[in-house]
Amino acid sequence: QKEVEQNSGPLSVPEGAIASLNCTYSDRGSQSFFWYRQYSGKSPELIMSIYSNGDKEDGRFTAQLNKASQYVSLLIRDSQPSDSATYLCAVIKPGTYKYIFGTGTRLKVLA
Amino acid sequence: ETGVTQTPRHLVMGMTNKKSLKCEQHLGHNAMYWYKQSAKKPLELMFVYNFKEQTENNSVPSRFSPECPNSSHLFLHLHTLQPEDSALYLCASSQEGLAGHNEQFFGPGTRLTVL
Repeated sequence: QKEVEQNSGPLSVPEGAIASLNCTYSDRGSQSFFWYRQYSGKSPELIMSIYSNGDKEDGRFTAQLNKASQYVSLLIRDSQPSDSATYLCAVIKPGTYKYIFGTGTRLKVLA
Repeated sequence: ETGVTQTPRHLVMGMTNKKSLKCEQHLGHNAMYWYKQSAKKPLELMFVYNFKEQTENNSVPSRFSPECPNSSHLFLHLHTLQPEDSALYLCASSQEGLAGHNEQFFGPGTRLTVL
């Protein structure tokens, strides 16, 4: 079982729709979770961090964490073509300095 | 300069060359990281430095040699690389490396091609 798993996609949504990206992790002791956006040929850019169960909203982005089910998700409301990118989920491995990244989900927002 | 900077942005080297990648962070952070990103593979952590001390070496071959002279600068020295080492090398920094609520910020990366 991979430590952090994401569906590679592509996930295609029409402009203006809600995009839902999911991530599961294997280590139940994980406490810190991050979503990054990566455009082709560019470096990852931090979108959101979440540490507590529940929802965290920032503009059009909402991160959701459910530690009991070991998943974290990212919702993008009113999706725009400029949101088309690969979204990376990352988890800090408990007791270490390691950030473990998923392979990323490619999102395509269709105009 | 702001954020995390990396030089060079592109590097082409032969297998017998020696070169170095440089990273500098202007965020006042205490932890710095090297990652390797190959096509269709997840980001691979290579090294972590926390307050200039190496705290993680993720079984990286010795042809990659990191150096962290202070909390703002990180180098990756390269020698006798293989073509499969061609990848995007990313530097990142965070407030501190100890597992916790530390957001990590990336530099633009160095695209390395080994011939």
